[in-house]
Amino acid sequence: GAGVSQSPRYKVTKRGQDVALRCDPISGHVSLYWYRQALGQGPEFLTYFNYEAQQDKSGLPNDRFSAERPEGSISTLTIQRTEQRDSAMYRCASSSQQRTAGNQPQHFGDGTRLSIL
Amino acid sequence: DAKTTQPNSMESNEEEPVHLPCNHSTISGTDYIHWYRQLPSQGPEYVIHGLTSNVNNRMASLAIAEDRKSSTLILHRATLRDAAVYYCILRDQGAQKLVFGQGTRLTINP
Repeated sequence: GAGVSQSPRYKVTKRGQDVALRCDPISGHVSLYWYRQALGQGPEFLTYFNYEAQQDKSGLPNDRFSAERPEGSISTLTIQRTEQRDSAMYRCASSSQQRTAGNQPQHFGDGTRLSIL
Repeated sequence: DAKTTQPNSMESNEEEPVHLPCNHSTISGTDYIHWYRQLPSQGPEYVIHGLTSNVNNRMASLAIAEDRKSSTLILHRATLRDAAVYYCILRDQGAQKLVFGQGTRLTINP
């Protein structure tokens, strides 16, 4: 079946512009996660949703970052007034829900490469 | 999440077994041991996970020490496509997020 789909694959924008990154999880997956990955580093958690509810946003760097998942499927990560330090690979993952979350694999998309000029 | 310690890099030869070690001396009783790998220019890929017993799947085997303070990911017959960064991650049973460390960069020689 189809995996996690992210769009666009690449986004180049000028500093100060807003950007919206989209994630389409695996069909039926209840949980959706956003991570950010700097070059040469492992992914860093940003936020996650169960269905449409944002359960943890502790990893969002500041209030310019927000995410939503209004119908419990597709999610959008929005960065307002972008800065050069926001340049990174943004990755989305999804998983089906089980009673013990730690026992459930996450499936990652190929990411969106964001470059702020 | 408890921390893990992995070698920065390892090298092996094609068609030979590879044993990737991970130390997690502060693991708690409810921590699952997860392994992910990331091939160049791709997102992380789930490999295997376990709690106490050794685990096998089509990709690899996971050997967990009896005291659970260390584990080893075993690739039985490495191919060039196994060249990747391998991450060992502890994840509490109730934890949603994955906390990635630096991982081990595995190089496979032809």
